[in-house]
Amino acid sequence: GDSVTQMEGPVTLSEEAFLTINCTYTATGYPSLFWYVQYPGEGLQLLLKATKADDKGSNKGFEATYRKETTSFHLEKGSVQVSDSAVYFCALSDLRGSGNTGKLIFGQGTTLQVKP
Amino acid sequence: EPEVTQTPSHQVTQMGQEVILRCVPISNHLYFYWYRQILGQKVEFLVSFYNNEISEKSEIFDDQFSVERPDGSNFTLKIRSTKLEDSAMYFCASNQLPGGYTFGSGTRLTVV
Repeated sequence: GDSVTQMEGPVTLSEEAFLTINCTYTATGYPSLFWYVQYPGEGLQLLLKATKADDKGSNKGFEATYRKETTSFHLEKGSVQVSDSAVYFCALSDLRGSGNTGKLIFGQGTTLQVKP
Repeated sequence: EPEVTQTPSHQVTQMGQEVILRCVPISNHLYFYWYRQILGQKVEFLVSFYNNEISEKSEIFDDQFSVERPDGSNFTLKIRSTKLEDSAMYFCASNQLPGGYTFGSGTRLTVV
């Protein structure tokens, strides 16, 4: 079945460092790809998404490009802040599968810790 | 901005008791979901609901679980006889079309 794999965490960076969180996926169809962020004690917030190959999602300085050839959707940010400390989840939703229920399949999450 | 509202935010229950987790999806959304996240683990799909019936459920969603949309506003998840391993954060989500979501802030269920 469809699956999402993220790099192991935690990722610890200094403020203003460059961030990459790797995400690869396996899907039989043509999924939409998402990054969600979970701040401590809070729920899931959509960070960005891409619905087809070569699309770039971006929000709040974060970017990710849908790469069909490498089945990847890596999250990047040029200069992280302490306030970016959170757990980041990569996810996919294959609208053409599962009777179009649109369920999300999540990766295991990557904890980002940014130190001042 | 419209929100998905979940209540309660935290529920403690004794093993074997029934619990009902409540959600109020966004009013014009048509697709509804429950997910759970065991502490420190990934978010897992439980069930999707559309047109007043379950459209898909995972292996986790066994006979102990049920969902209902009793009044066109609320969307509930019932666990009939809770087990220790049901302790988790439960997230409700709704969507107007498949594939784009608004999540609630979650209910933390603790089974003791």
